Amino acid sequence: GAGVSQSPSNKVTEKGKDVELRCDPISGHTALYWYRQRLGQGLEFLIYFQGNSAPDKSGLPSDRFSAERTGESVSTLTIQRTQQEDSAVYLCASSLRSLTQYFGPGTRLTVL
Amino acid sequence: KQEVTQIPAALSVPEGENLVLNCSFTDSAIYNLQWFRQDPGKGLTSLLLIQSSQREQTSGRLNASLDKSSGRSTLYIAASQPGDSATYLCAVLETSGSRLTFGEGTQLTVNP
Repeated sequence: GAGVSQSPSNKVTEKGKDVELRCDPISGHTALYWYRQRLGQGLEFLIYFQGNSAPDKSGLPSDRFSAERTGESVSTLTIQRTQQEDSAVYLCASSLRSLTQYFGPGTRLTVL
Repeated sequence: KQEVTQIPAALSVPEGENLVLNCSFTDSAIYNLQWFRQDPGKGLTSLLLIQSSQREQTSGRLNASLDKSSGRSTLYIAASQPGDSATYLCAVLETSGSRLTFGEGTQLTVNP
């Protein structure tokens, strides 16, 4: 079956602009996660959605970052007023409850 | 705060060798532990998941062990092949199921 998909695969933007990143999880997966990987660094947790429960936003680095998820389907991660330090690969993953997380290919964001 | 450490940071071996990658974590209150593989420019591929109540999992040439009380896991790769060259990441899922905390990875090179 189809895996986790993310779009766009690459995004180049100017400092100060807003960007939206999209994630389509595996159908039927109730849990969805966003992570960030800066160049040469490990993965950082950003946000977690589980069904209709309130999301765990504790990993979001600032109030410029927000995310939404419609039911158990697509999620969008929005970064407002982008800064150069936001440049990273943004990875989305989905899972059934707390089982194996399956990752998408990521969106590479470059802020000039 | 959970911290995950992987040793060594990089490893280069000749084809055919058996090898061990190490992972340690500071908080033993975990739900499960996963080993992932990351190829350059690509997303993460899940290799093995060990529940907190389990001691080991095997898949083909891979065997992962978990000693939760001491905060350690190892990934054993038998008869390594050049196609095994990648970065291997260890990650622990906290008991709430909300986030994976990743180590910084071991970059493995298997030379023909």
